[in-house]
Amino acid sequence: QQQVKQSPQSLIVQKGGIPIINCAYENTAFDYFPWYQQFPGKGPALLIAIRPDVSEKKEGRFTISFNKSAKQFSLHIMDSQPGDSATYFCAARHSGNTPLVFGKGTRLSVIA
Amino acid sequence: GAVVSQHPSWVICKSGTSVKIECRSLDFQATTMFWYRQFPKQSLMLMATSNEGSKATYEQGVEKDKFLINHASLTLSTLTVTSAHPEDSSFYICSAVQGVGEKLFFGSGTQLSVL
Repeated sequence: QQQVKQSPQSLIVQKGGIPIINCAYENTAFDYFPWYQQFPGKGPALLIAIRPDVSEKKEGRFTISFNKSAKQFSLHIMDSQPGDSATYFCAARHSGNTPLVFGKGTRLSVIA
Repeated sequence: GAVVSQHPSWVICKSGTSVKIECRSLDFQATTMFWYRQFPKQSLMLMATSNEGSKATYEQGVEKDKFLINHASLTLSTLTVTSAHPEDSSFYICSAVQGVGEKLFFGSGTQLSVL
């Protein structure tokens, strides 16, 4: 049973475009939803995270939109650049020192 | 953000040998660390939860006698792959929770290749 479903699997956008990656979760006990960026051969790096009491959060060019009733959240990357080409993972966890449950990842390619 | 150091970055070993991977939280204490495994172009799969001073909790299907985890201090957890075989070749990543909060930081990963 996949607890966090992520789509699309891959995405190609032109420089300056706004890629959107979507995730849906099932476990209503989840209360922390981060997004990670991973480059080949590197560990994931935390980009931005949100809690369910907030519907939107912006940090720089990255925005998370959160829909608690639909149990969905998404990542928007404004003014995307070729350097943003990476694999993006959504994740979720519930409170306490619990592990993250990851989506399957989205490979983003930003072409000039 | 907080720094989690993982060493080595890559290792090549012969089948049947053991390999130790270290994970250190450099600027914070981590009572809990997690070990993940990642195959090419796939997501991260949780292997085990490592708690300082106690036995690790392994996920279903992960052999605890093969993947030995030791969390002897608040800043260091180690994963030892014992009697490694080619099917153990993978990217291993550790992560640590900063404080009692929610942020989870990852090490840079270790690429293990077993010949």
